[in-house]
Order: sequence, then structure tokens, then C-alpha cells
Amino acid sequence: KAGVTQTPRYLIKTRGQQVTLSCSPISGHRSVSWYQQTPGQGLQFLFEYFSETQRNKGNFPGRFSGRQFSNSRSEMNVSTLELGDSALYLCASSLVISDYGYTFGSGTRLTVV
Amino acid sequence: SQQGEEDPQALSIQEGENATMNCSYKTSINNLQWYRQNSGRGLVHLILIRSNEREKHSGRLRVTLDTSKKSSSLLITASRAADTASYFCATPGGISSGSARQLTFGSGTQLTVLP
Repeated sequence: KAGVTQTPRYLIKTRGQQVTLSCSPISGHRSVSWYQQTPGQGLQFLFEYFSETQRNKGNFPGRFSGRQFSNSRSEMNVSTLELGDSALYLCASSLVISDYGYTFGSGTRLTVV
Repeated sequence: SQQGEEDPQALSIQEGENATMNCSYKTSINNLQWYRQNSGRGLVHLILIRSNEREKHSGRLRVTLDTSKKSSSLLITASRAADTASYFCATPGGISSGSARQLTFGSGTQLTVLP
């Protein structure tokens, strides 16, 4: 079956702009989580969506937001981009129960200039 | 912030040798997972060990878990050049006891297998 699909793969934006990233989970997976990966901070949890509701949010400013649609696809949005937002953004999908591994997409590499 | 630390940060070995990576974590866990990442791409789930298990095998991978020491190790036997990647341990449940589906990652070990 198809894996987790993230689009776009690469993105270059200017400071102050906003960006929207997309994630399509594995069919049947209803939970979608987002992570930010930077060389300095490593992998950090952004938020998780299940049944179109945000279930948990990491320690990120309000400029980071997301949503999930009825087909479980998810988008995350970052407004007023800062240079420090340059990172690899990873989406992970999972079954409802957490006692299984997560399937990650290939990520979106965002560069803010 | 990171749940735990991985040791070593970098490891370089010859093909055919075994590679051992260690992970320490801070809070109580239900399970611990290991992931692999090639060159800044997505993470690939390798193996999950539950808190009531002490050892688990999958192909050339062997994972141990010591909940009393809050530590885990990943052993890759007979390594290959294709095993070159970063390896991360991860535990569900945030530091602030958020969603059980939130993963908290270690800092990772960069493994280089020389041909």
C-alpha cells in the first residue's frame, strides 16, 4: 500500500511569508503527527491530529498551526516565517493505538531566506 | 527538548563488524522504538520493544531494554555499507505526559559503515 506522502519535497520561502505543507497518511491511519527536525534541536514534536481534531501540541509558537480533513489528510501552516523555521518537516501516520510503530513521510525541506 | 541521549553520537566501523548504539530516557514508558534515517530523509521504523520485554530480534537487529536503568541498546550485526544512516530511539508520551501518540526522540547516533 502507498506510504505517507508529503508535498512539496523542497520549498524556499522569504522571511515574513507563510507556507503550507501537506501530508497524506497511509490509508486507514487516522492519526497524523508533525515533527520538526533541525541540526540544533533535533526532532521535535509539533502537533498531532486525530479525527480532524488537534489532540496534542508541542512547544511551538502560535505561528505553527495545522488541520486535518475528513479523509485524514493533514496540512500544517507556518505564518510569518523566520530564518529559524528552516528545517525538515516530517509527517507521521499511525493507527489509533499507540503501541505500534509510526510511518513517516520523506519530509518537506523548508528553507527560509 | 530531547527525552534522552544516545551514545555514541557518531560511530564508524568496517563492513562485517557489529555496531552497538545506546539510548537513555527519562520517564516511564510503555514501549521504546528505534528508527533509522538516511541523509535527512524520512524516518523508517525498525523495531519496537514493549516495557515488559527485555530483548527483541528482527533480522540483523537486536534490541535490549532495561527499564530499571531507563536504557536501551540497538545492535546491528554483520553491518553493511547500506546500514550507514542515523539511528534514533523514540518513546511515546511526551515529557509533560501528553498524548500517548507523541514521540520523543533521542539525539541520534550517526553510523558510518566503511566498505
